[in-house]
Amino acid sequence: NAGVMQNPRHLVRRRGQEARLRCSPMKGHSHVYWYRQLPEEGLKFMVYLQKENIIDESGMPKERFSAEFPKEGPSILRIQQVVRGDSAAYFCASSQNSGTDLGEQYFGPGTRLTVT
Amino acid sequence: AQSVTQLGSHVSVSEGALVLLRCNYSSSVPPYLFWYVQYPNQGLQLLLKYTTGATLVKGINGFEAEFKKSETSFHLTKPSAHMSDAAEYFCAVSYDDYKLSFGAGTTVTVRA
Repeated sequence: NAGVMQNPRHLVRRRGQEARLRCSPMKGHSHVYWYRQLPEEGLKFMVYLQKENIIDESGMPKERFSAEFPKEGPSILRIQQVVRGDSAAYFCASSQNSGTDLGEQYFGPGTRLTVT
Repeated sequence: AQSVTQLGSHVSVSEGALVLLRCNYSSSVPPYLFWYVQYPNQGLQLLLKYTTGATLVKGINGFEAEFKKSETSFHLTKPSAHMSDAAEYFCAVSYDDYKLSFGAGTTVTVRA
């Protein structure tokens, strides 16, 4: 049973380019969460999605960042016009459901974004 | 804002020695509490969690943690370190069904 898959694992972008990070949840999981880890900091919640719905995006920067989880295919975290401050590790997690499965979020290996 | 503090970004222990990783949270309302481990090039894996009930929680790989409300702490321990315990450990809290807030992490190295 494959775990949460993220690709690419490493991504280098120049300032002003777009970054697209992909996350395939575990089989049977319909809830996806994105977290960002800046250097020397803990992971910070960004957004929570279910299929075709954004449930909570309170941790997303107001501009340039967007996320989707379409009916078919992986979840995408998109960063437009990247800046050096976007350099971080971006982790995706998935769960079968929330509430009763509190805490049972399964994490992917992360995508390390470097903006030059 | 809720926060989680992990005391010590790096901990070095001898094989067979006690592992103690400290975690404190800042809230008067007890949250749900978690410890995750991350091995190199892998995702975070849940070690154990506290939601309600018994304050001493046992997890995988011989780890356990105790919730102490009076100290707002949730320290992680393992009586005898093994080389395979070398990894980064994250304490996390949640006040709802899904939003986890993590500490900055503690890297554990195990000396032979």
